[in-house]
Amino acid sequence: AQTVTQSQPEMSVQEAETVTLSCTYDTSENNYYLFWYKQPPSRQMILVIRQEAYKQQNATENRFSVNFQKAAKSFSLKISDSQLGDTAMYFCAFMSSWGSQGNLIFGKGTKLSVKP
Amino acid sequence: SQTIHQWPATLVQPVGSPLSLECTVEGTSNPNLYWYRQAAGRGLQLLFYSVGIGQISSEVPQNLSASRPQDRQFILSSKKLLLSDSGFYLCAFHRGLGNTIYFGEGSWLTVV
Repeated sequence: AQTVTQSQPEMSVQEAETVTLSCTYDTSENNYYLFWYKQPPSRQMILVIRQEAYKQQNATENRFSVNFQKAAKSFSLKISDSQLGDTAMYFCAFMSSWGSQGNLIFGKGTKLSVKP
Repeated sequence: SQTIHQWPATLVQPVGSPLSLECTVEGTSNPNLYWYRQAAGRGLQLLFYSVGIGQISSEVPQNLSASRPQDRQFILSSKKLLLSDSGFYLCAFHRGLGNTIYFGEGSWLTVV
């Protein structure tokens, strides 16, 4: 069975600095999809970034980028120029390509605090 | 555009009472639908998922059940709530492999 592991329950960073959140996963599949989701105190889940496993290029979205290491099954999220509004829970998610439309598995999350 | 709504937003129910949380999707057809539970300060626990009408897969055996009476409607139910059922429940959907996953606004359930 696929698993997603986020080894950092909590992290903090100073405003304007850079922070990296780690995520590892376990699968025997070759094609799959990876996501980072943000959950602020409002509890609304917000997509941060997505990566297709068959693409070697790392995805980027403004201040957010990933370091996707397929052989190591690692998918870390880098947040540059951290802002107070980045304070949230961050979830790494794996979407299998098995079956007709796939299935979705989340890690336990990392609570990020951005300090002024 | 694709949207998802779930209700009620908050619910306080006594132990032993029934539960019904409803989720509706707009703007797409034949989505994959999910129910997750999130305990305070914890990650997302997958409860049920559905790939089609009447097709429900359960990930965690418990006193909750799910139904999909229509293509874009997903219902989470219980006949008798337990204190341990308290938590934040999220409905989600996606359409197609790798596509964006949309989440509902969430429902806070407190069992007293």
